[in-house]
Amino acid sequence: GENVEQHPSTLSVQEGDSAVIKCTYSDSASNYFPWYKQELGKGPQLIIDIRSNVGEKKDQRIAVTLNKTAKHFSLHITETQPEDSAVYFCAASTSGSARQLTFGSGTQLTVLP
Amino acid sequence: AAGVIQSPRHLIKEKRETATLKCYPIPRHDTVYWYQQGPGQDPQFLISFYEKMQSDKGSIPDRFSAQQFSDYHSELNMSSLELGDSALYFCASSQGRGTYEQYFGPGTRLTVT
Repeated sequence: GENVEQHPSTLSVQEGDSAVIKCTYSDSASNYFPWYKQELGKGPQLIIDIRSNVGEKKDQRIAVTLNKTAKHFSLHITETQPEDSAVYFCAASTSGSARQLTFGSGTQLTVLP
Repeated sequence: AAGVIQSPRHLIKEKRETATLKCYPIPRHDTVYWYQQGPGQDPQFLISFYEKMQSDKGSIPDRFSAQQFSDYHSELNMSSLELGDSALYFCASSQGRGTYEQYFGPGTRLTVT
């Protein structure tokens, strides 16, 4: 089955700086890679996603890049704000009949004011 | 916009008891996924349903069962509860079997004492 590795496990940045979180996946059949933000006591919130036919996708301060050859994808957050502080999960899904998500282990991002 | 609704939000049960968790997907979403998230861990896929039929099965114990009803809501039934079943249980929904994007509910926190 799919295995997703995520690092770093914790990341602290100063407000206004950029944050980068990286993930690698094992199953070459995976073709959908979402990122979720989870605040304490809440459900994961889909913040951006990318499909395997695209190399980069941007949405305001958030961008995701995908390198299919190397099987890794990254989340980039620019101009970080204190409200960006949360746990971020990457995930991967295959194109089979099941769309189940395999998650990385999460990154606790802390943006220091 | 309407989101995924889960009930109850908190549930306390004793060992060997039974629990039922409910999930109401986003309107017009016909696919439901259940995930279990232990403390400090990433969500683990349990089971999914598409158009009231089981679609895929993950690491769901035999003590657990689930179904999706005609109005697309889903219930996760958990019997012979064990201490290790204490976790957050999330339901996610998507529109159509071919759709990748999954939207998560706020979760049910189950505590087994």
